[in-house]
Amino acid sequence: DAMVIQNPRYQVTQFGKPVTLSCSQTLNHNVMYWYQQKSSQAPKLLFHYYDKDFNNEADTPDNFQSRRPNTSFCFLDIRSPGLGDAAMYLCATSRVGLVLANDTDTQYFGPGTRLTVL
Amino acid sequence: AQSVTQLDSQVPVFEEAPVELRCNYSSSVSVYLFWYVQYPNQGLQLLLKYLSGSTLVKGINGFEAEFNKSQTSFHLRKPSVHISDTAEYFCAVSEWGSQGNLIFGKGTKLSVKP
Repeated sequence: DAMVIQNPRYQVTQFGKPVTLSCSQTLNHNVMYWYQQKSSQAPKLLFHYYDKDFNNEADTPDNFQSRRPNTSFCFLDIRSPGLGDAAMYLCATSRVGLVLANDTDTQYFGPGTRLTVL
Repeated sequence: AQSVTQLDSQVPVFEEAPVELRCNYSSSVSVYLFWYVQYPNQGLQLLLKYLSGSTLVKGINGFEAEFNKSQTSFHLRKPSVHISDTAEYFCAVSEWGSQGNLIFGKGTKLSVKP
């Protein structure tokens, strides 16, 4: 009953060779997030989609792009991976992505894709 | 700017011992607070969250956390740990009025020994 699915779980690419990571969800949530988690570090938000609206974090490198062709799928494209981009990439979803006065969304995370750059 | 500090990067404990994982935050506005657990090579799973009301929050797997506004802390506790609790634990905050973006601490690796 996986709700947030990430493929592949492990990805190996070469320095400079474009790579795409995939995320899909069965929750019909409006918001999808991509986080980068380097070894022994906290997950760091790269960007998120609210429906089709793309929201990029200010310090996300231009090398990282994202696509959301429909509600269920979201892709992370790394145009020219460097050695420093080796990390676990986590996809998450939430229903409305709002912090309300008396409630807030829970973010549901996928299992992650571990990217190795050779 | 908001930030989250987890003072202990690693916490080794023996099975059936109590444990406390510390979390402090800073923010200029009211926040929501979360604890997530990450088992090896897996994604993050929500343990518990504090939104408002009672400052003692109970979560899954026997964990609980207490919100202390004056000390800006949200420490996670469990009275008796199991081997299966071995994992990394992340504290996170989300600011009121934001789009729900989470700011994580650097994590605490809990290692439960027999």
